[in-house]
Amino acid sequence: DQQVKQNSPSLSVQEGRISILNCDYTNSMFDYFLWYKKYPAEGPTFLISISSIKDKNEDGRFTVFLNKSAKHLSLHIVPSQPGDSAVYFCAASGPDTGRRALTFGSGTRLQVQP
Amino acid sequence: DAGVIQSPRHEVTEMGQEVTLRCKPISGHDYLFWYRQTMMRGLELLIYFNNNVPIDDSGMPEDRFSAKMPNASFSTLKIQPSEPRDSAVYFCASSFGANSPLHFGNGTRLTVT
Repeated sequence: DQQVKQNSPSLSVQEGRISILNCDYTNSMFDYFLWYKKYPAEGPTFLISISSIKDKNEDGRFTVFLNKSAKHLSLHIVPSQPGDSAVYFCAASGPDTGRRALTFGSGTRLQVQP
Repeated sequence: DAGVIQSPRHEVTEMGQEVTLRCKPISGHDYLFWYRQTMMRGLELLIYFNNNVPIDDSGMPEDRFSAKMPNASFSTLKIQPSEPRDSAVYFCASSFGANSPLHFGNGTRLTVT
C-alpha cells in the first residue's frame, strides 16, 4: 500500500519553462512534506519542505504547494534549467508513522531540454 | 563538512555470504537512518537510531538483517546470509534534531549473485 504516490515516472520540459511535479498521499495523519532531488550515483539531497499549517513555501526558483483537502502537493520549478535534470522524490511524515520516519514516493525523472 | 560517508560504494558477493555496509554520519548529528532503494519498492526505511539507540527497526525485512551503532560516528548494516533479492542500493542518512532534513550518503550498491 503506497502511502505516497508520484504517478508520473518522467517529465520533460524546455529550458526556461515551468516544471510541475506532483505528489499524492493517502495518510491523513501526514503533516510534514519534503522534496528531495537525486542525481545518478548520488544520494538524495534535500530541496524544500512544507508543514501542514502552510499551503505554500517558496525558496528561490522552487515553490511547493500543499492542498490538504485533496491530499496533494506539487513542486514548481521556475524557470527550469538543464541542471535541474534529476529524479525528484516526494516524502512525508506524521506523528503516527514516527516523526523521523519518512515515507517516500517512487520518484519522477525530470529532464530539462536546453 | 565531509557529508555522510558510506563504504564500500559497490559490493558484489555470492549468495550465502555475509555482507557488512558501513556509514559515518555527519559530526554532531544525533539521528541515523538506513534506507534501501529497489525498483519494486522504491526508497524504504529499514531502521533508524537516535543517540546511538535503535528507535524503529520495523522496516528491517528479516532476521538476516541487523544494524548497530556502537558510537556516534559509526554504524553498520549487516546481512547474513545474503540472498539475490537483497540486491539494491543501500543509503545511510543522518540529521540533527527532530525537524531537520535528512542528509544522505552516496549509497552502497549491493549485488548478490
